[in-house]
Amino acid sequence: QKEVEQNSGPLSVPEGAIASLNCTYSDRVSQSFFWYRQYSGKSPELIMSIYSNGDKEDGRFTAQLNKASQYVSLLIRDSQPSDSATYLCAAGGGNSGYALNFGKGTSLLVTP
Amino acid sequence: EAQVTQNPRYLITVTGKKLTVTCSQNMNHEYMSWYRQDPGLGLRQIYYSMNVEVTDKGDVPEGYKVSRKEKRNFPLILESPSPNQTSLYFCASSPEFGGNYGYTFGSGTRLTVV
Repeated sequence: QKEVEQNSGPLSVPEGAIASLNCTYSDRVSQSFFWYRQYSGKSPELIMSIYSNGDKEDGRFTAQLNKASQYVSLLIRDSQPSDSATYLCAAGGGNSGYALNFGKGTSLLVTP
Repeated sequence: EAQVTQNPRYLITVTGKKLTVTCSQNMNHEYMSWYRQDPGLGLRQIYYSMNVEVTDKGDVPEGYKVSRKEKRNFPLILESPSPNQTSLYFCASSPEFGGNYGYTFGSGTRLTVV
């Protein structure tokens, strides 16, 4: 069974803090990893992709990938109330064949 | 603007009345897929298509049909909707299968079957 696991949360952080979101995946040969942000009732929006071990930074967002540990994380620096959403981790390109495998998401709440 | 367009955004229907949710993308993507999203269950794939005339079942295909006659369109058909198909539906597309490029999602269709 190909699985992407995330803590459902909610993860609560104060405004201005760093939010750390984590994800593990079971398909060892997965090659591509994505973080999506989803506001309630809205569609998932791609915010980060990462393919190689290490860190990838884009503005306030940093994605981290450790293939040996089958672990992906997303750091959000200087968290804002507008960052409050559900964050979906997805893994693909491996034995999953034709589909991305999505986690169920972590709910993030940034409090003013 | 590159996008995936779904219609309708909201739909309330009665049990057994056939309906179609349309999905169209303007990015020349080969891969298209339908998901449903329910509280606590996450995104679950219904059907996907790797290219024109090539479709296959996802994890929860029962009660649904799809067709891919043109590259840009991938409609979802509910021949006889039932209340357990009440859900939030998303169409998604990608340049190719394999998940290496991520997906672009449509705005969603909230379906209620009474």
